[in-house]
Amino acid sequence: DVKVTQSSRYLVKRTGEKVFLECVQDMDHENMFWYRQDPGLGLRLIYFSYDVKMKEKGDIPEGYSVSREKKERFSLILESASTNQTSMYLCASSFGGGITYNEQFFGPGTRLTVL
Amino acid sequence: AQSVTQPDIHITVSEGASLELRCNYSYGATPYLFWYVQSPGQGLQLLLKYFSGDTLVQGIKGFEAEFKRSQSSFNLRKPSVHWSDAAEYFCAVGAYTPLVFGKGTRLSVIA
Repeated sequence: DVKVTQSSRYLVKRTGEKVFLECVQDMDHENMFWYRQDPGLGLRLIYFSYDVKMKEKGDIPEGYSVSREKKERFSLILESASTNQTSMYLCASSFGGGITYNEQFFGPGTRLTVL
Repeated sequence: AQSVTQPDIHITVSEGASLELRCNYSYGATPYLFWYVQSPGQGLQLLLKYFSGDTLVQGIKGFEAEFKRSQSSFNLRKPSVHWSDAAEYFCAVGAYTPLVFGKGTRLSVIA
């Protein structure tokens, strides 16, 4: 089974802190994605990557950055956390290199609260 | 640009009743279509997918979906709902770009 793990299930940070959310997949997938999920808004794509050291902006990249130094790991970084970044963050992966519309496998999510 | 609409925000059904969750998409060609389910506090799990071929697709947990090109729809159905089906359901469409997800339909199941 594909396994996508996220470093924390729950995280509480203060405004202005730098926050790292880590995601690791064990199926050698090329594509990895970061979403945020908010009530009534569904899933919104923040960033995605289709190869090591490659990254592409999604629909809502403002206030976020990403890092992909190894194929299995994709990190989401909040440079200076703000209260409007309180949300559920979901990581996903899929095979296929630049084919980013294949089936995605999701991690359990990280619920981030920024105070 | 592709988009997905799930018209129903919240649906309540009785246990044992049939279920249909609606999904409409906007895209010129035939896209890849997916239904995912999210149990409370969990990530998303794939229920079924449509890429091509037979327009009636069977998935896990007794779910099925039918692709109707003329109506740009990919509705999810289950003949008899179980209490454990209470969750949030997301339809997604993909075609040469990352998947676009609908805003979800929350399913409540009552006894």
